[in-house]
Amino acid sequence: GEDVEQSLFLSVREGDSSVINCTYTDSSSTYLYWYKQEPGAGLQLLTYIFSNMDMKQDQRLTVLLNKKDKHLSLRIADTQTGDSAIYFCAAAYSGYSTLTFGKGTMLLVSP
Amino acid sequence: EAGVAQSPRYKIIEKRQSVAFWCNPISGHATLYWYQQILGQGPKLLIQFQNNGVVDDSQLPKDRFSAERLKGVDSTLKIQPAKLEDSAVYLCASSLYEGAQGYTFGSGTRLTVV
Repeated sequence: GEDVEQSLFLSVREGDSSVINCTYTDSSSTYLYWYKQEPGAGLQLLTYIFSNMDMKQDQRLTVLLNKKDKHLSLRIADTQTGDSAIYFCAAAYSGYSTLTFGKGTMLLVSP
Repeated sequence: EAGVAQSPRYKIIEKRQSVAFWCNPISGHATLYWYQQILGQGPKLLIQFQNNGVVDDSQLPKDRFSAERLKGVDSTLKIQPAKLEDSAVYLCASSLYEGAQGYTFGSGTRLTVV
């Protein structure tokens, strides 16, 4: 089955850019997602990308997909203290299949 | 629109006891999911419903876990008897159609088994 790996921790200063990386193993995964989880809260969908795309930009968020290397990244521009949270990468075979999540990357933004 | 409602928010039980969690999805959402999130890990799917039918329960430990979705709306997840390793956050999510573009997660129920 699918396996999704992420680095566990990232620390940045406010105003810097953050880059969170993710790798997945199943080349059949065509839907790739980034979720944000704040303490005590559920998961909030930030953005997603289809495997036929290389890049997707949404305001401060940029998603890059290297399908050959099965590598996904999330860049947050002008990172704010409110961006401190755990970020999960998730993959799905199709829009009709369930998600496989990574273990999450804790992003800590210091003033 | 109202979000996915879950209750209780927290539950502490002793091992071998029973516990039940409740989820009310967003109105009109046909697909409902239960995920288990153990501390330090990503969520893992336990069961997926489409209306009141089970689509995928391959990762549900059926010897102790059960779930139902009566009338295709609310859902309950039960653990009987609980084990220490069941300590986790249980997340419910719903979607208007199959596909994660429509996933909305509830805030979860944090279960501690002592």
